[in-house]
Amino acid sequence: QQQVKQSPQSLIVQKGGISIINCAYENTAFDYFPWYQQFPGKGPALLIAIRPDVSEKKEGRFTISFNKSAKQFSLHIMDSQPGDSATYFCAASNNAGNMLTFGGGTRLMVKP
Amino acid sequence: NAGVMQNPRHLVRRRGQEARLRCSPMKGHSHVYWYRQLPEEGLKFMVYLQKENIIDESGMPKERFSAEFPKEGPSILRIQQVVRGDSAAYFCASSPPMDNEQFFGPGTRLTVL
Repeated sequence: QQQVKQSPQSLIVQKGGISIINCAYENTAFDYFPWYQQFPGKGPALLIAIRPDVSEKKEGRFTISFNKSAKQFSLHIMDSQPGDSATYFCAASNNAGNMLTFGGGTRLMVKP
Repeated sequence: NAGVMQNPRHLVRRRGQEARLRCSPMKGHSHVYWYRQLPEEGLKFMVYLQKENIIDESGMPKERFSAEFPKEGPSILRIQQVVRGDSAAYFCASSPPMDNEQFFGPGTRLTVL
């Protein structure tokens, strides 16, 4: 019940295209859903996060869509750039535990 | 404001030796978390600490692994009698009190020969 399932495992997008990464969870106690970006040899960097009281959050080219009834959330990267090429992780936590449960990651490559 | 600091960045140990990984949280952050990342995999929670207290160690292996966050100084993740399966990247994250946001350090890459 603690799992967070992420898809696809890898994604290739042309420059200027939209990258879409999906996650699904089972634990209804989760109430905080962040996305992290990780470059090779670096630590994960917090990109954007959402709570279940809103269905969408946008920051620049990054948008999280959240569907509480389906227990799914997704990251959209608009106007994808080669510099966006990285591994993206979704995660979830609840206030009580604070530990993050991570998805398996999506390796994004944006072709010039 | 410096970010989360971890050292060493790379650590090589032979089987049976001890590994000590250090983490200094961001200024003002009193909560520290340790995660392990195996190659090509996501991060797995190990332990959650506040100053002088272990809050949740449900992700820690029962043997050989221990963690502390003393009143003064960095948090330490200690692995005794390392085995090849311990080879991984170990990340520390910190957060302020009453906040979900966790900020990660650059990690320590442990290689066990």
